[in-house]
Amino acid sequence: DVKVTQSSRYLVKRTGEKVFLECVQDMDHENMFWYRQDPGLGLRLIYFSYDVKMKEKGDIPEGYSVSREKKERFSLILESASTNQTSMYLCASRPYTGGGTEAFFGQGTRLTVV
Amino acid sequence: AQSVSQHNHHVILSEAASLELGCNYSYGGTVNLFWYVQYPGQHLQLLLKYFSGDPLVKGIKGFEAEFIKSKFSFNLRKPSVQWSDTAEYFCAVNSNYQLIWGAGTKLIIKP
Repeated sequence: DVKVTQSSRYLVKRTGEKVFLECVQDMDHENMFWYRQDPGLGLRLIYFSYDVKMKEKGDIPEGYSVSREKKERFSLILESASTNQTSMYLCASRPYTGGGTEAFFGQGTRLTVV
Repeated sequence: AQSVSQHNHHVILSEAASLELGCNYSYGGTVNLFWYVQYPGQHLQLLLKYFSGDPLVKGIKGFEAEFIKSKFSFNLRKPSVQWSDTAEYFCAVNSNYQLIWGAGTKLIIKP
């Protein structure tokens, strides 16, 4: 079974803190993604990576950055957390960009910024 | 750009009722379509997908979906729902290198 593991299920951080969300996948997938999930808005893509050290902005990259130093690990960084970044963050991986391949998701990290 | 619409944000049904959740995407050509489900407290998981061939696709737990190219639709169906189907359901379409997601439908099944 493909496993995508996010380092924390719940996080509470203070405004202005630098926050790191970690994601590891164990199936050698090329592509990894970070989404945020908010009620009524579905999943919105923050960043994705198609290879080590490669990254592309998604639909809502402002206030975020990412790092992919190893193929299995994709980190999301909130440079200076703000209350409007309170959300559920989902990491996903996908084997390649072929259209029919599915994405595999982690359990999600519910981040609250106070 | 490609977009996905899910018509109902909340659906409440009684057990044994039939279910149909709507999903429309914005433009055609070759599309790959997915339905994912998120049970309470669990990760998103694939219910079914359409890649090519038979437009009627069967998935896990008795779900099926029909791809109708002329209507740009990929509706999810189940003939008889159970309480355990309570979850949020997401439709997605592949566009270039990423999946484009609908806003989701929260389904509540009353026992």
